[in-house]
Amino acid sequence: GNSVTQMEGPVTLSEEAFLTINCTYTATGYPSLFWYVQYPGEGLQLLLKATKADDKGSNKGFEATYRKETTSFHLEKGSVQVSDSAVYFCALSAYSGGGADGLTFGKGTHLIIQP
Amino acid sequence: DAGVTQSPTHLIKTRGQQVTLRCSPKSGHDTVSWYQQALGQGPQFIFQYYEEEERQRGNFPDRFSGHQFPNYSSELNVNALLLGDSALYLCASSLVSRSYEQYFGPGTRLTVT
Repeated sequence: GNSVTQMEGPVTLSEEAFLTINCTYTATGYPSLFWYVQYPGEGLQLLLKATKADDKGSNKGFEATYRKETTSFHLEKGSVQVSDSAVYFCALSAYSGGGADGLTFGKGTHLIIQP
Repeated sequence: DAGVTQSPTHLIKTRGQQVTLRCSPKSGHDTVSWYQQALGQGPQFIFQYYEEEERQRGNFPDRFSGHQFPNYSSELNVNALLLGDSALYLCASSLVSRSYEQYFGPGTRLTVT
């Protein structure tokens, strides 16, 4: 079956530090890959996506590249801010005969940015 | 442009009871998916509805059922509640042509005592 593995948290960084959150996946076929963010007390928000190999998704300074050869989709940001503190989820959507399947999520990585 | 809305925000039920949660999709969306998010975990896919029919289903027992109405809104029903059903229930909407790109509501927090 499909699965997503992401690094355990919490991850604590100082403001302006470089961020990497690792994500690897297992899926049949060629899934679409996503990063979602959940701020305290709020619902999930789509941060970025990539739908085919070598695509780079980007948004709000965050980037992730779909690497088929390593089945990875690591999230990066060059300089984090306190406002980036949140829980980040890596997710995939595979395809079956009925269309895109429901999203499969990782367990989430809690990111804490200290001023 | 209204996003995905869910009701109620919070709910407390007793073991063995039944519960109904409601979701209105983002304007223009025709597909609704439901997820269960236990504390400290990632969301788990329950099922997806399109054209008033269940289109995909995750690994959840038959106690979990749903419905989609002609206006695309949806309900999630859970029968014979267990303590383990306590979770945040998330609704997500999308277009069937882009059903991989889902927009989430704020969720309903269900507590079973």
